[in-house]
Amino acid sequence: AQSVTQLGSHVSVSEGALVLLRCNYSSSVPPYLFWYVQYPNQGLQLLLKYTTGATLVKGINGFEAEFKKSETSFHLTKPSAHMSDAAEYFCAVSGRLRSYDKVIFGPGTSLSVIP
Amino acid sequence: NAGVTQTPKFRILKIGQSMTLQCTQDMNHNYMYWYRQDPGMGLKLIYYSVGAGITDKGEVPNGYNVSRSTTEDFPLRLELAAPSQTSVYFCASSYSEGDAFFGQGTRLTVV
Repeated sequence: AQSVTQLGSHVSVSEGALVLLRCNYSSSVPPYLFWYVQYPNQGLQLLLKYTTGATLVKGINGFEAEFKKSETSFHLTKPSAHMSDAAEYFCAVSGRLRSYDKVIFGPGTSLSVIP
Repeated sequence: NAGVTQTPKFRILKIGQSMTLQCTQDMNHNYMYWYRQDPGMGLKLIYYSVGAGITDKGEVPNGYNVSRSTTEDFPLRLELAAPSQTSVYFCASSYSEGDAFFGQGTRLTVV
């Protein structure tokens, strides 16, 4: 069985500062890991995903995440926050993905960017 | 290319009323999904379908029904609305092992 925890339901950063959103997972099999972003009144959009291979994954809008098996973590980072990054971010996990009926979503972290 | 389209965007229902949330996709995806999103809870899978004529329950199916008569459409039916069904509902679609594309959501309030 898989599960996801996201530390911090709300994170605030200043514009230009580092963004760090934390995600830890548990999985009985090697996981597939995802980060999704949800802008206000919009659906979810895939930011990036880890399947196999390189553990540092780059996504859209300057975001990246690193899969650390020893820490069971998949934290999302961006070097410099922009006002347009204000959104809800969801970490998700699945075990050897076959379809999204196996994907487990975390509770989400709301990111605010302060001018 | 519209992607995944959900209607309506907003709806207020009275307790006991019924309604259908519509979802259509134009990407010829075989898999479709319905989720509900509650504050602090992430997304929970209600029902999913792996192709026309095939549906299966997700994590939270009680109070809902679905059908999949065509590849494009996957409506979600609420038969007797309850306050616990107040939520934001998302439809999504994908190929069997591909990334899911989400609609913009339907915000439902049951009063």
